[in-house]
Amino acid sequence: SAVISQKPSRDICQRGTSLTIQCQVDSQVTMMFWYRQQPGQSLTLIATANQGSEATYESGFVIDKFPISRPNLTFSTLTVSNMSPEDSSIYLCSVGRRDTGELFFGEGSRLTVL
Amino acid sequence: GESVGLHLPTLSVQEGDNSIINCAYSNSASDYFIWYKQESGKGPQFIIDIRSNMDKRQGQRVTVLLNKTVKHLSLQIAATQPGDSAVYFCAEIQGGADGLTFGKGTHLIIQP
Repeated sequence: SAVISQKPSRDICQRGTSLTIQCQVDSQVTMMFWYRQQPGQSLTLIATANQGSEATYESGFVIDKFPISRPNLTFSTLTVSNMSPEDSSIYLCSVGRRDTGELFFGEGSRLTVL
Repeated sequence: GESVGLHLPTLSVQEGDNSIINCAYSNSASDYFIWYKQESGKGPQFIIDIRSNMDKRQGQRVTVLLNKTVKHLSLQIAATQPGDSAVYFCAEIQGGADGLTFGKGTHLIIQP
C-alpha cells in the first residue's frame, strides 16, 4: 500500500483566510483525489487531481473555492479559499489505481474555521 | 441524493459474535465496490473490495457479498474483536468515473 502524508494534520483558521493542504505519496500513483468529510458525515468527492492539467471538479465544488495543484505523480495540494465556518471539515487525500483496486486515504487534515 | 446508502447508523454486537453490515446502492452501472473502516481521528482504511462480476469475496475474518439483483452489498465480520469498533463505509465507483461515492456509514460497537 502507498504511504500518504498530509500536512497540516489540523489547523484553526480565521474566517476569510485561505489554507493550503499538502498531500505527499511515497510512490508514483496514477490517480489522486480530494475528499471532504463534514463532522459526523460521510465522505464527499471534491475533485480528481490531474497531473499536468486542471483538476476535475464534482458538482457543487468549483476551482475558485478549492484550487488544486498536481505538479507530479507524488504530490498534490488543495487550497480552501476565503474560508467560512461551513468549511470546517476533514479534508482527505486519496490515491490509487482503479485497475488494481487499490484506493488508499491519508489521515486527513482537520480544519476548524472560526 | 446519495446513490449508496446504509440501512443502520449504529450496530452493536457482542465480542466474539459475527456482525453483518449492509449497504444498498442505486446505480446499476456501478462496477466496483469497496468497504472502508474509519477509526476515530483517522482516515478510512481499505478493508476489502469486490467487482460486479463477482458475488462473494473473502478476506481475513471478512467477507463481502454482492447481490446485483437487489443492488445490495454486505460486509460480514467474523468473531468480532474490540479493535473492530469503528465506522464502516461502503463505497462504489460508478461506470466511467474514477472517484468513489460513499454511503452514510455504520458505527459498529463491540460490547464486551
